Amino acid sequence: DQQVKQNSPSLSVQEGRISILNCDYTNSMFDYFLWYKKYPAEGPTFLISISSIKDKNEDGRFTVFLNKSAKHLSLHIVPSQPGDSAVYFCAASSDRGSTLGRLYFGRGTQLTVWP
Amino acid sequence: EPEVTQTPSHQVTQMGQEVILRCVPISNHLYFYWYRQILGQKVEFLVSFYNNEISEKSEIFDDQFSVERPDGSNFTLKIRSTKLEDSAMYFCATETGGKYEQYFGPGTRLTVT
Repeated sequence: DQQVKQNSPSLSVQEGRISILNCDYTNSMFDYFLWYKKYPAEGPTFLISISSIKDKNEDGRFTVFLNKSAKHLSLHIVPSQPGDSAVYFCAASSDRGSTLGRLYFGRGTQLTVWP
Repeated sequence: EPEVTQTPSHQVTQMGQEVILRCVPISNHLYFYWYRQILGQKVEFLVSFYNNEISEKSEIFDDQFSVERPDGSNFTLKIRSTKLEDSAMYFCATETGGKYEQYFGPGTRLTVT
């Protein structure tokens, strides 16, 4: 199942700089996209989502950009902080009416923010 | 802030034994899910559950698996006869209708020996 891809297994960024995490998808039926953060031995924590009718969604330091024609989305974290160090997962779904339904996950990108 | 909780945090079982993994969803959530993550692999969908019925299941969710909401609060995943390849982290997720956000529990690490 390669419908959601995160091609960079890791990213290292200095504190205060921007972190950009990328995600590609192949299924044109996907219309909701989510980003999750995961620490070791914990469950994924919801960060931010975007509907396919938008191209940008912001929440504090986190912004998600969606490029539907390229089937690409990215998560920007500005400024990056050491506490942001975690694995970031991109997930996608096809809207099932009032619910997300099944999520398809990428493999994740390990973000390390160094002081 | 309300959270999804899961018990146990770690379960070790012998091959062929039955296990039941438990989840307490966020109280006003109506849609429930089980996912799993085998070490080094993606998080994979197993099953979704709404209104006391399975809404969707993946090819992984064969007849060795079952789900139920026995008492209106707990949501359980049962594996009838565990195999070595069932060893994974199992995550419960819940969702309220209309907000398009799924919230995950901390997971149960299942080790089958």
